[in-house]
Amino acid sequence: KQEVTQIPAALSVPEGENLVLNCSFTDSAIYNLQWFRQDPGKGLTSLLLIQSSQREQTSGRLNASLDKSSGRSTLYIAASQPGDSATYLCAVDNQGGKLIFGQGTELSVKP
Amino acid sequence: DAGVTQSPTHLIKTRGQHVTLRCSPISGHKSVSWYQQVLGQGPQFIFQYYEKEERGRGNFPDRFSARQFPNYSSELNVNALLLGDSALYLCASNLLPSVTSSGANVLTFGAGSRLTVL
Repeated sequence: KQEVTQIPAALSVPEGENLVLNCSFTDSAIYNLQWFRQDPGKGLTSLLLIQSSQREQTSGRLNASLDKSSGRSTLYIAASQPGDSATYLCAVDNQGGKLIFGQGTELSVKP
Repeated sequence: DAGVTQSPTHLIKTRGQHVTLRCSPISGHKSVSWYQQVLGQGPQFIFQYYEKEERGRGNFPDRFSARQFPNYSSELNVNALLLGDSALYLCASNLLPSVTSSGANVLTFGAGSRLTVL
């Protein structure tokens, strides 16, 4: 049974700092891994999707990496801003479109 | 172009009642999935529908049911509500059941329906 874990559960950093969010999964037979952002009380916004054959994806200040063999992914946020404050969720797809989510990392970026 | 729309946005029910949540996918999307997100946790997969057929079901009791209509919109029904059913219910759509990074097959989520059971 696939399990997804995110560490840390919460993170507070000063504005401008570079930071890394971690995601681990127990079954390496995945189709892809996605990182989402969720603002309080809102739905999910997809940030980056890494196919199983890829090692990383980049979008602006965000970079996500995937190491299937070790069951790990990281989301790197460069030069963090207060507007980056949100909960970040990773999700793996190993059943063709049925995502399994971690519990999320709540990020707070202080001005 | 409208995104995934869900209704109602908020609702309050009492234990034992029944609830129906509605989802309209992005135009052209044929696959709809439902997720339950309890406060402080990540979403959990409930159902996936494609071309009006159930393609997958998560570990939820039979009190949960869903259907997809010819226009690809979907309903999630929950009977005999329990306090533990209080959650944000998220609907997501894409063109095909599998998720990829290309165009219409990226999974797009709606803003959710917040259900409170008293």
